[in-house]
Amino acid sequence: EAQVTQNPRYLITVTGKKLTVTCSQNMNHEYMSWYRQDPGLGLRQIYYSMNVEVTDKGDVPEGYKVSRKEKRNFPLILESPSPNQTSLYFCASSLSPGQGQNEQFFGPGTRLTVL
Amino acid sequence: GIQVEQSPPDLILQEGANSTLRCNFSDSVNNLQWFHQNPWGQLINLFYIPSGTKQNGRLSATTVATERYSLLYISSSQTTDSGVYFCAAMIKAAGNKLTFGGGTRVLVKP
Repeated sequence: EAQVTQNPRYLITVTGKKLTVTCSQNMNHEYMSWYRQDPGLGLRQIYYSMNVEVTDKGDVPEGYKVSRKEKRNFPLILESPSPNQTSLYFCASSLSPGQGQNEQFFGPGTRLTVL
Repeated sequence: GIQVEQSPPDLILQEGANSTLRCNFSDSVNNLQWFHQNPWGQLINLFYIPSGTKQNGRLSATTVATERYSLLYISSSQTTDSGVYFCAAMIKAAGNKLTFGGGTRVLVKP
């Protein structure tokens, strides 16, 4: 089954404790990205990756890191989480721009609470 | 960047009713998608529809790219249709970034 998976689905942590949210897709997509969803602010892009070893900032990258060492994986790293990073996080993947249909597929979401 | 606006913000329906949700976007797009966010927070792909009309069961969507709007039709609504419906658009100059509208919150009453 074609899908995007994220782990963990739920996480409660404390300020300053480094964490990683994993994202994996099995559709051989070049493009992957991370969004966060907050009440009143909608979904905003954090980082994206056009291919292996190619990453770039989205609209709200502060406080986050990403890496793309393999095509299927795109982990989101919070080196020193703060309460304002409490949010619902989504990973997404698609074909590259210009490859015709570039429908984006979303993971199930990770609900993160930073105390 | 591109602006995406949805209307209405809230919609209350009686089970069995039909409804139309609208999405206006401010620029030419090469991707337009509709999603349903269920009560558990999951984003479910409904349609990929940069232009034209598609139907899937009781749902259908139409995008008129030249006039920069898209419509989502829900027919014979059911309580399971409740949730938030988002449209999201992408312009070529923005890479693959989807810009989401504010959503339409739908409540279908039995």
